[in-house]
Amino acid sequence: GAVVSQHPSRVICKSGTSVKIECRSLDFQATTMFWYRQFPKQSLMLMATSNEGSKATYEQGVEKDKFLINHASLTLSTLTVTSAHPEDSSFYICSARRSGLLNTEAFFGQGTRLTVV
Amino acid sequence: RKEVEQDPGPFNVPEGATVAFNCTYSNSASQSFFWYRQDCRKEPKLLMSVYSSGNEDGRFTAQLNRASQYISLLIRDSKLSDSATYLCVVPDSSYKLIFGSGTRLLVRP
Repeated sequence: GAVVSQHPSRVICKSGTSVKIECRSLDFQATTMFWYRQFPKQSLMLMATSNEGSKATYEQGVEKDKFLINHASLTLSTLTVTSAHPEDSSFYICSARRSGLLNTEAFFGQGTRLTVV
Repeated sequence: RKEVEQDPGPFNVPEGATVAFNCTYSNSASQSFFWYRQDCRKEPKLLMSVYSSGNEDGRFTAQLNRASQYISLLIRDSKLSDSATYLCVVPDSSYKLIFGSGTRLLVRP
């Protein structure tokens, strides 16, 4: 089956530094990938839609200058949390759906647990 | 009305019980529906896809009622390992998947 790989799975960083998270679709092309954030005991919240070759679409309330998204190829999207602060500590998950198929399920990366100290 | 709505639970049931979750959605044009399972501190994993009236896979049955715009998930003969959060997911008219807030299931010995 399709696999989405996310890296790193866990990162601890100092306040003020930037962290890059990678999301790769391993055996299919994904023109669109999605980035979610999940705080403890809360549901997944869509942060942004990553579009290959164009700008990402951010959900309301998500700072585009803080959460930089790059989707340079059909199999790779990156999320960079810039100038991270403790309140950015969360579980970040990416997902991807096969290009051109509207009714297919999404496959999720393993998630990245970010802790900002 | 929320785009996708679920009862948050928790549903606390004994092993062997049958339990059902409902999910309502607002986009009447949706053609596909999904149930995902999420374990604590893990990514969601696909449990079932529903494209027509329903789907069955072992102890799990998903049913779709388009007229009333709801999808249900039935779990028979509950196991301890079924304890998780179950997410109802409905695509919108673009590529986005809209997630319900999830229903938490606790299966006790």
